[in-house]
Amino acid sequence: GAVVSQHPSWVICKSGTSVKIECRSLDFQATTMFWYRQFPKQSLMLMATSNEGSKATYEQGVEKDKFLINHASLTLSTLTVTSAHPEDSSFYICSAAGREKLFFGSGTQLSVL
Amino acid sequence: GEDVEQSLFLSVREGDSSVINCTYTDSSSTYLYWYKQEPGAGLQLLTYIFSNMDMKQDQRLTVLLNKKDKHLSLRIADTQTGDSAIYFCAEDNFNKFYFGSGTKLNVKP
Repeated sequence: GAVVSQHPSWVICKSGTSVKIECRSLDFQATTMFWYRQFPKQSLMLMATSNEGSKATYEQGVEKDKFLINHASLTLSTLTVTSAHPEDSSFYICSAAGREKLFFGSGTQLSVL
Repeated sequence: GEDVEQSLFLSVREGDSSVINCTYTDSSSTYLYWYKQEPGAGLQLLTYIFSNMDMKQDQRLTVLLNKKDKHLSLRIADTQTGDSAIYFCAEDNFNKFYFGSGTKLNVKP
């Protein structure tokens, strides 16, 4: 079946640094990818919708200058958390829209010290 | 935005049936989904139902959809300890997904 690879699985970084998370669709082309954030014991929160070749659409309350999304090809979208702060520590999950279904990456646990 | 609600916890004994419920507000959803999340892992798609269907069965899983009441349920027959996880329902709205808060299913031996 369709596979979405998300990398890295976990990352620890210092406050003020930037972190890039990659999301790849391995055996299908995804014109649309989504980025979610999950806080402990809460549901997934949709952060932004990434469309190949165009600017991402951000949900209300999500800072686009802080969470940079690039969807440069039909198989790769990246989320860069710029100038990370401890409050950005969270579980980030990407998904890619295949035919009729949404396929999820395994998530990235970000810890900002 | 869209509102998707679930009860937070469900506890059942091994071998019993589990029923996880979900209500949603957007009547224009095309598909409704059930996902399973095990600790530290991403979401796993369990099943989905097209909005013009009222039931879908897939092995031990039965999905019921009451579109009039905007109510979705997932029944797991013969629940096993390996079914212990958090279950999320989700609806799509023009390919944007909105998730419920998740129901933590605890299966007791």
